[in-house]
Parts: sequence; structure tokens; C-alpha cells
Amino acid sequence: EVQLVESGGGLIQPGGSLRLSCAASGFTVSSNYMSWVRQAPGKGLEWVSFIYPDGSTYYADSVKGRITVSRDNSKNTLFLQMNSLRAEDTAVYYCARDGSGGQWGQGTLVIVSS
Amino acid sequence: QAVVTQEPSLTVSPGGTVTLTCGSSTGAVTSGHYPYWFQQKPGQAPRTLIYDTSNKHSWTPARFSGSLLGGKAALTLSGAQPEDEAEYYCLLSYSGPRVFGGGTKLTVL
Repeated sequence: EVQLVESGGGLIQPGGSLRLSCAASGFTVSSNYMSWVRQAPGKGLEWVSFIYPDGSTYYADSVKGRITVSRDNSKNTLFLQMNSLRAEDTAVYYCARDGSGGQWGQGTLVIVSS
Repeated sequence: QAVVTQEPSLTVSPGGTVTLTCGSSTGAVTSGHYPYWFQQKPGQAPRTLIYDTSNKHSWTPARFSGSLLGGKAALTLSGAQPEDEAEYYCLLSYSGPRVFGGGTKLTVL
């Protein structure tokens, strides 16, 4: 069964760091285009980051320089390292498999607050 | 960063047909923007309906179809069902970075 399971969210103070994980099963992360998408409470979807099979990465302007996407092929897991967190980063963070895959995880909630 | 525009809300009658559109501030939407369409119901994760303009997933109901229409990406729902009431988002690719539209709240009434 194809599945994506995010983890690592929680309450973090402004300026802090957090690493989100997205464990995949049923397919190989490194062979797929994978995205991170977030949704602030009561708001729409916001694209955050993208990693290609060749390792190329792209970021939204709102997170560029503060967020890094990576993957661990041995663990078949996608990561999102978030630094210098701000209140406006508060959101549910989803990982998703692009293209013909199409699966989404259930999301992990990040709250940035003092 | 480009701005992607969608109708804020639309209403369709049960059994009716409705078209949602997705425009780009940079000009006409083309297949090179690889348009995606997602459905999200309250309290749930989004679900991908359409990728690369018109391709469906195995779980995409046949009544949904994607296309390019008048310089925009379009999602057409033919034969609306009550369970189609949801928020719909489009996503466009800009040679790497991507941008979501603001979403269309579709009411089936």
C-alpha cells in the first residue's frame, strides 16, 4: 500500500528550528518528484518546496533561505528542515507525491508561538 | 512570484455542470505549467484529482475532467454530486517553483 506519514511537528518558539519527516511506503522517494505544502489555520494551500529525482530543489520565496528539503534514500524518507521559524510559519505541513503518484500524507501541525 | 487566480466561490445544482478556472498573472496558462487540481474537504488532507492538465488518478471520479480553456486551466465537473461540495485548488509550475491558486469553494445546492 502506498502511504506517506509525516511527523515532527509541534510547538516551537519563534526563532527556533524543527525537522519534519515524511516516511514513504509502497514506492521509492528518490525516484519521484516530492513536494511539501502547508496550510495555515483557516487558509488555503501554500506550496513550500519541491525535490526532483535528480536532487534539484526549489523553494517558495516566503521560506527561501530558512527551509531545506532533503531525503534519506536508505530510510525512504523525505525531510523538511525549518530554521528561524516565525509565527507565520504556523500551519499543517503536508508531503505529497507528484505526477502519476498523487498521494498525500495526513499532515503534521507546526505551531510557532512563545 | 506569479499570482494564480481562481473563482472564490461557485454554486452548482445537483446533476449540473460547472467549470472552475485557474489563471496566471504571467499570461496564458499552457501545458508547460503542468496544471494540477486538488480537492479538499473540511478536516481532511487534500486529494489530487488532475495532474499535468488532464490526467486523472485511479481515484478521480469520471465526472471530473481537466483542460485548457481560453488561456486558463480548467476543471469541469459534469453531473455534480452532493459529495463534490468542497474546496478546489489549482497549482501551476513556473519552471521549478510552484504556486497555488487561492481556491474555489464549490457548493452543490
